[in-house]
Amino acid sequence: DIVMTQTPLSLSVTPGQPASISCKSSQSLLHSDGKTYLYWYLQKPGQPPQFLIYEVSDRFSGVPDRFSGSGSGTDFTLKISRVEAEDVGYYYCMQSIQLPITFGHGTRLEIK
Amino acid sequence: QVQLVQSGAEVKKPGASVKVSCRASGYTFTSYSMHWMRQAPGQGLEWMGIINPSGGSTTYARKFQGRVTMTRDTSTSTIYMELSSLRSEDTAVYYCAREYLPNSADYWGQGTLVTVSS
Repeated sequence: DIVMTQTPLSLSVTPGQPASISCKSSQSLLHSDGKTYLYWYLQKPGQPPQFLIYEVSDRFSGVPDRFSGSGSGTDFTLKISRVEAEDVGYYYCMQSIQLPITFGHGTRLEIK
Repeated sequence: QVQLVQSGAEVKKPGASVKVSCRASGYTFTSYSMHWMRQAPGQGLEWMGIINPSGGSTTYARKFQGRVTMTRDTSTSTIYMELSSLRSEDTAVYYCAREYLPNSADYWGQGTLVTVSS
């Protein structure tokens, strides 16, 4: 199974400041079809995960443009340009190039 | 709007089975596959498998093969996930999630807490 490793485990950010989360996969997520099967989710307290980013850098419908994704191969990053109070929760990266689909262990974002 | 509404919380004894439902609305039910994931208390997310509501074909995670069965009822736009031979480690919130592009998920159900306890 592909192992997804996220860092840091948690971060505390002042509103209006940027935040960055790293995700590394144990195998390349670049498929022969040219797509990279890396996704990001945010799970707010007491809620199911919500879809943020697909195929490394494309924002899902309705996701604010302060969220951006980047990376290639095995190294990926989610950035929040200016953190807002509503961004608190756990962020998960996910790969689906190979079954079983696997997730990182999550990064907890809290507001200072 | 897309809605996935899951059945209510369950408490089961070890060795029993549980069947969780996920009723879809707001889109063409047979056009999108459905994933099942779970999340143990205080833990991360775990993929269990996927079902294609159109033909009923399924793919299960190796870990759950032999214990999980995913089915669908197209007349009610409902997906079911049954997990058998329950053990305490199966205590978790179970989520259905609609497939978006190959093997990702956009909309999620609200979750169903399954507690396995003697």
